[in-house]
Amino acid sequence: GENVEQHPSTLSVQEGDSAVIKCTYSDSASNYFPWYKQELGKRPQLIIDIRSNVGEKKDQRIAVTLNKTAKHFSLHITETQPEDSAVYFCAASKSTGGFKTIFGAGTRLFVKA
Amino acid sequence: DADVTQTPRNRITKTGKRIMLECSQTKGHDRMYWYRQDPGLGLRLIYYSFDVKDINKGEISDGYSVSRQAQAKFSLSLESAIPNQTALYFCATSWGSGSAGGTQYFGPGTRLTVL
Repeated sequence: GENVEQHPSTLSVQEGDSAVIKCTYSDSASNYFPWYKQELGKRPQLIIDIRSNVGEKKDQRIAVTLNKTAKHFSLHITETQPEDSAVYFCAASKSTGGFKTIFGAGTRLFVKA
Repeated sequence: DADVTQTPRNRITKTGKRIMLECSQTKGHDRMYWYRQDPGLGLRLIYYSFDVKDINKGEISDGYSVSRQAQAKFSLSLESAIPNQTALYFCATSWGSGSAGGTQYFGPGTRLTVL
């Protein structure tokens, strides 16, 4: 069945360093790839997304890249700050399937001050 | 996101009781979802609804049922609660098509404890 694998499960970085989280998906028809951030005790919230007609998207310190051939996409956070500490979920869905979403298992990011 | 609300926010109940969790949205979205999150784990889909007349099982639907009373309301029921259903439950909504399709908006969550 459809699957999204996310790595690593835990990531610890020093403040100011970059963090990269990677995901692979199994359904080649997937064409929408959002990333959600969940702070402790809060709800998941969208931080950035990419649709399959582009290969990269950037929003300030956050960027997402998509490689459709390899079926993987990545989240890049530069100049990390303590407030970036959270759990990050990648996800994949397809418009032909009504955007039913498959989530990755999550990455817990720790940013050490 | 105040556009998606859940009630109650916390609930403690006993084994065997029937429990209903409610979700309401003012975003006008057609899709609604119920997820379960266990400590340290990801989001697992329980049920989803593409419109009022379309209800679908997710990966962990056993022991749960749902009702889509209106486009804006989607409730989750635990027929006979058991301790391993203790978890954090999230409702979410989205558009099912269009340029904004797919982005999910989550409610604040309901923390359920079954004793």
